[in-house]
Amino acid sequence: GQNIDQPTEMTATEGAIVQINCTYQTSGFNGLFWYQQHAGEAPTFLSYNVLDGLEEKGRFSSFLSRSKGYSYLLLKELQMKDSASYLCAVRDSNYQLIWGAGTKLIIKP
Amino acid sequence: IAGITQAPTSQILAAGRRMTLRCTQDMRHNAMYWYRQDLGLGLRLIHYSNTAGTTGKGEVPDGYSVSRANTDDFPLTLASAVPSQTSVYFCASSPGSGGGTDTQYFGPGTRLTVL
Repeated sequence: GQNIDQPTEMTATEGAIVQINCTYQTSGFNGLFWYQQHAGEAPTFLSYNVLDGLEEKGRFSSFLSRSKGYSYLLLKELQMKDSASYLCAVRDSNYQLIWGAGTKLIIKP
Repeated sequence: IAGITQAPTSQILAAGRRMTLRCTQDMRHNAMYWYRQDLGLGLRLIHYSNTAGTTGKGEVPDGYSVSRANTDDFPLTLASAVPSQTSVYFCASSPGSGGGTDTQYFGPGTRLTVL
């Protein structure tokens, strides 16, 4: 079966750095996405990786290792507004997105 | 409008009733999707449409039907609602037909409760 694993919840301090991990086992791989979802709102796109390595976009970076079936999202200089759930999704061989359950990130002052 | 709209925002429905959730996008995206999101689970694909006039089944299609008569609209119908269909429903769209860096953009969601 297809599986995306993420930690359920993480806590970090304002101004710090946090790394959210995602491991996957899917039938085929055509890219990995990270989305942010604030409570009661829709998911919004953060990043896309299809090749191994690090993609940097401001305070957020995303890393991919296809051989290990592993990705992480790195958030720097954490702000209170970063409190949200972070969803990892893999596009499979049918070009459909398989979603993880999300990681709820709690930021403390 | 700009983006994706969904209606209603929320709904309480008696079991056995028929319900249509509406979704409209004005971005001229080819592909559209319906997901449900339940606590502790990832988004699960119900149905999708790669282009107007075509639809396909996702991971959890039973009890749901869709149509795609034009590019903009993608309604989701529950023929006879059951309590297990209580969920938050998200409509999404993407520019292409699913390949490459084809990013999905989400509507605000419909919170449905079936009693």
